[in-house]
Amino acid sequence: DAGVIQSPRHEVTEMGQEVTLRCKPISGHNSLFWYRQTMMRGLELLIYFNNNVPIDDSGMPEDRFSAKMPNASFSTLKIQPSEPRDSAVYFCASSLVPGTAYFGEGSWLTVV
Amino acid sequence: AQKITQTQPGMFVQEKEAVTLDCTYDTSDQSYGLFWYKQPSSGEMIFLIYQGSYDEQNATEGRYSLNFQKARKSANLVISASQLGDSAMYFCAMSPTGNQFYFGTGTSLTVIP
Repeated sequence: DAGVIQSPRHEVTEMGQEVTLRCKPISGHNSLFWYRQTMMRGLELLIYFNNNVPIDDSGMPEDRFSAKMPNASFSTLKIQPSEPRDSAVYFCASSLVPGTAYFGEGSWLTVV
Repeated sequence: AQKITQTQPGMFVQEKEAVTLDCTYDTSDQSYGLFWYKQPSSGEMIFLIYQGSYDEQNATEGRYSLNFQKARKSANLVISASQLGDSAMYFCAMSPTGNQFYFGTGTSLTVIP
């Protein structure tokens, strides 16, 4: 079975550019999570969706970040405009509530 | 409030020995799940083991076992017969409902040949 699929795997972009990270959850899972991992702050929950509906976006750092889940098989995390402090690994995870969250391989973002 | 504490930023273990990674949690929920994840240097997050708060027996998955002490609110991970490939970051997590997962800051484990 395919796991959580994230793209791109690596992205280097210039400050001010728009970045879109994509996630395909495991088929049948009804919850989707976006996490950001940095050395300074560890794993931070940015937002999670349940049945495609955003439930808690209190972890989204600021208005430059937005996330959508137009259907059960796809989600995006967008940063516009990007800044160097956004450089991090962004993980998408999905779960069948209640249950274990399974993570994608992460999107490594570098903003220069 | 939910809080996960991993007090060991780094641990070393001799190959073939057992090691215990500590995790304590704080929650007011009666029902919750406890999880351990492994993150090797390649970066992916790998699910290792799960323990439900109402499970009476400690969870085991191969060389991994979870030492669950509910009264102490601890969920330590025990890795038996350590292998070089076990060198990684290990994260403890708790989920009260399955809708949110709260992670500790992680423990870096190094297995010494």
